[in-house]
Amino acid sequence: GQQVMQIPQYQHVQEGEDFTTYCNSSTTLSNIQWYKQRPGGHPVFLIQLVKSGEVKKQKRLTFQFGEAKKNSSLHITATQTTDVGTYFCAGPSMKTSYDKVIFGPGTSLSVIP
Amino acid sequence: DTAVSQTPKYLVTQMGNDKSIKCEQNLGHDTMYWYKQDSKKFLKIMFSYNNKELIINETVPNRFSPKSPDKAHLNLHINSLELGDSAVYFCASSQRLQSSYEQYFGPGTRLTVT
Repeated sequence: GQQVMQIPQYQHVQEGEDFTTYCNSSTTLSNIQWYKQRPGGHPVFLIQLVKSGEVKKQKRLTFQFGEAKKNSSLHITATQTTDVGTYFCAGPSMKTSYDKVIFGPGTSLSVIP
Repeated sequence: DTAVSQTPKYLVTQMGNDKSIKCEQNLGHDTMYWYKQDSKKFLKIMFSYNNKELIINETVPNRFSPKSPDKAHLNLHINSLELGDSAVYFCASSQRLQSSYEQYFGPGTRLTVT
């Protein structure tokens, strides 16, 4: 069945280091979304990518959608303690007649001050 | 003004009991969802409703029954609670049913079954 995978599962970085999480789908995606969940909090929408090869930036965060629309990445430059949390990618399921979003398993980021 | 609210925030109960979680959104969205997040942070969709109509009903035990009295509310009733039901349950909403719409999540309900 269709899968949305993320690597790494966990990442510990020193404050100021860069961080990247990768999202891979077994099928082509029409769009991909990224969410952030702070510890003890709820997922919060960050961004959506739609076009092949699309790159979007939000301050220190850079999001990229692969050319084949099967993978995506989130890169954080110079991490800060406020970046701590779990980052989820989410894409539409292709195996159902209805439109359903599948969330990846997430990458948990820890930032050591 | 909380966009998506859930009650209660915490729920501790014994095996075999029946409990309900309530969710309300004031965003005027058409679609609402229930997700279960386990201890490993996996977010699994359980149900989705569009304009009060059940759209998605994943492989969830019959002990879980959602109810949508109107477009702004989606409640979850759980019968005969089991230890494995312990998790955080998130309600979410989106403007429309299509996956291209962002989802707004409620604060979550942490259910602990003892």
